[in-house]
Amino acid sequence: RKEVEQDPGPFNVPEGATVAFNCTYSNSASQSFFWYRQDCRKEPKLLMSVYSSGNEDGRFTAQLNRASQYISLLIRDSKLSDSATYLCVVNIINSGYALNFGKGTSLLVTP
Amino acid sequence: NAGVTQTPKFQVLKTGQSMTLQCAQDMNHEYMSWYRQDPGMGLRLIHYSVGAGITDQGEVPNGYNVSRSTTEDFPLRLLSAAPSQTSVYFCASRQDSFDGYTFGSGTRLTVV
Repeated sequence: RKEVEQDPGPFNVPEGATVAFNCTYSNSASQSFFWYRQDCRKEPKLLMSVYSSGNEDGRFTAQLNRASQYISLLIRDSKLSDSATYLCVVNIINSGYALNFGKGTSLLVTP
Repeated sequence: NAGVTQTPKFQVLKTGQSMTLQCAQDMNHEYMSWYRQDPGMGLRLIHYSVGAGITDQGEVPNGYNVSRSTTEDFPLRLLSAAPSQTSVYFCASRQDSFDGYTFGSGTRLTVV
């Protein structure tokens, strides 16, 4: 079983739509959780950290469910510029807390 | 601040050649890592460091060496390049173990 699993998509949504991504992780001892965004042929960029109580940053909301070991990302009022691959990230306890990346979920927002 | 700087951006090697991918950060971050990204495989951890003088292996370390003589620099050495090492390589750094990483812009390596 992969440590971090995501639906690869692609998710094709119209502008203005709300879209949600889920991610599951296998190590219950993981302590740090993030969502990254990666544009085609670019480096991953930190979108937001994910906190136990859930957190929001503008149109983006992240949730963490430790009991079920899943993380979610909700994007409201999608923009064309939101088109990218979204990476779910969890820390690796036994590797200096290096980060373990999911393979990503592809989002395409269309006019 | 330049952030995380990787050089070169592109490189073509012949099988059996060696080379060093450079990575430098100017944020005084303790933690640095090297990842490779291949289609369908996602980002995989090659080596990581939790401070100057301390390095360890990640998920796919074979064929690569690293050293961390200073806080700023974390070079990745390919000992004898193989076509299987054709990939995009990303260096990343962060201040502590609970932060997210800042990534460099990557090195696209092709081994022929």
